Amino acid sequence: AQKITQTQPGMFVQEKEAVTLDCTYDTSDPSYGLFWYKQPSSGEMIFLIYQGSYDQQNATEGRYSLNFQKARKSANLVISASQLGDSAMYFCAMRVTGTASKLTFGTGTRLQVTL
Amino acid sequence: NAGVTQTPKFRILKIGQSMTLQCTQDMNHNYMYWYRQDPGMGLKLIYYSVGAGITDKGEVPNGYNVSRSTTEDFPLRLELAAPSQTSVYFCASSYKTGVGANVLTFGAGSRLTVL
Repeated sequence: AQKITQTQPGMFVQEKEAVTLDCTYDTSDPSYGLFWYKQPSSGEMIFLIYQGSYDQQNATEGRYSLNFQKARKSANLVISASQLGDSAMYFCAMRVTGTASKLTFGTGTRLQVTL
Repeated sequence: NAGVTQTPKFRILKIGQSMTLQCTQDMNHNYMYWYRQDPGMGLKLIYYSVGAGITDKGEVPNGYNVSRSTTEDFPLRLELAAPSQTSVYFCASSYKTGVGANVLTFGAGSRLTVL
């Protein structure tokens, strides 16, 4: 079975600073994918970034980057130059290849960006 | 280009009542999912479908039923509603592409309260 652990229930960051949201995962399958989703207070789920287990380089999407450390089974999200609009819940999720793209989610981290 | 549409957005049920949450997607995705999100928690998979006529249980299927008669529609049926089913329900879909991101597209969510 797959498991995602997010140990930070809440985080604060000042505007324009960088922040790292932690995610560790557990699976015995060699082929998997890791995702980060953002959930603002309005409730929708917004896809941010994806990392495949065989990808050689860390994924980047604009201000978002994924710090993928395979040996440590960690997939931390780094947000650079935080903005007030980044205040939201952030969920890490994992999909094992061949399982109909089903996602297993962590419990989330609430990020609050302050002035 | 509607994406994934869920109805209703809000509903209050009495204990023992039944209802159907509707979900439709216009992206010709073959995979569809129902997740529930309890307050302060991540999403948990209720049921999923890999194509018309094919459905399977997820992590928390008890108290729910689904059907998939067309590619577009994936309704979720709640029988004999219980307070434990108070949650926000998300429908999602994705396209099977083999390897790669297979990003899930989520609907806006349906908030259900059982009193």
